[in-house]
Amino acid sequence: DIQMTQSPSSLSASVGDRVTITCQASQDISNYLNWYQQKPGKAPKLLIYDASNLETGVPSRFSGSGSRTDFTFTISSLQPEDIATYYCQQYDNLITFGQGTRLEIK
Amino acid sequence: EVQLVESGGGLVQPGRSLRLSCAASGFTFDDYAMHWVRQAPGKGLEWVSGISWNGGSTGYADSVKGRFTISRDNAKNSLYLQMNSLGAEDTALYYCAKSGSSSPTRAAWFDPWGQGTLVTVSS
Repeated sequence: DIQMTQSPSSLSASVGDRVTITCQASQDISNYLNWYQQKPGKAPKLLIYDASNLETGVPSRFSGSGSRTDFTFTISSLQPEDIATYYCQQYDNLITFGQGTRLEIK
Repeated sequence: EVQLVESGGGLVQPGRSLRLSCAASGFTFDDYAMHWVRQAPGKGLEWVSGISWNGGSTGYADSVKGRFTISRDNAKNSLYLQMNSLGAEDTALYYCAKSGSSSPTRAAWFDPWGQGTLVTVSS
């Protein structure tokens, strides 16, 4: 099974900060990597698919990059409404999620 | 508007069975693979199972293989999850989600998700 290791597990940042979350796969997954945002009490929402493609309607301050085993998710300028937990997900071999990164406002 | 509405959750005793349903609307259901993803209380996301557009291809997480069965009825725009031999470790909010393609292994991103149905396994 492919393991996805996200870091950090939690993060506190100020409005306007640049925020970066990383996701490392236990083996090469090409670019089969997606990112989701989950706000408290809500279903997850797709933000980025295939490592770097921004889902329609998602603000451009969100971006993704990487390939093979190392991936990065970035919020260029943190907004109050971005408070959520973020998950990476691979689909190269079955489907697995990272453990999540809880993002808080400082 | 694409909409997914899960139902069938509830309190069930260990060892018993439960069948979840997901009613889909707002898109051509038989053009897309579908998936079930669960989230234990206060925990992260865990993929459970996926099924191709015509039901011909399915996949399961190791944690549920042999106990859960995914199926679909395209005439009714519905997705199902039959869960047998339930244990406390199956307690979770179960989401259905639309895949990005007709195959459960290609373009396997989940968008959108339903609001989930809660399954609690307890005596």
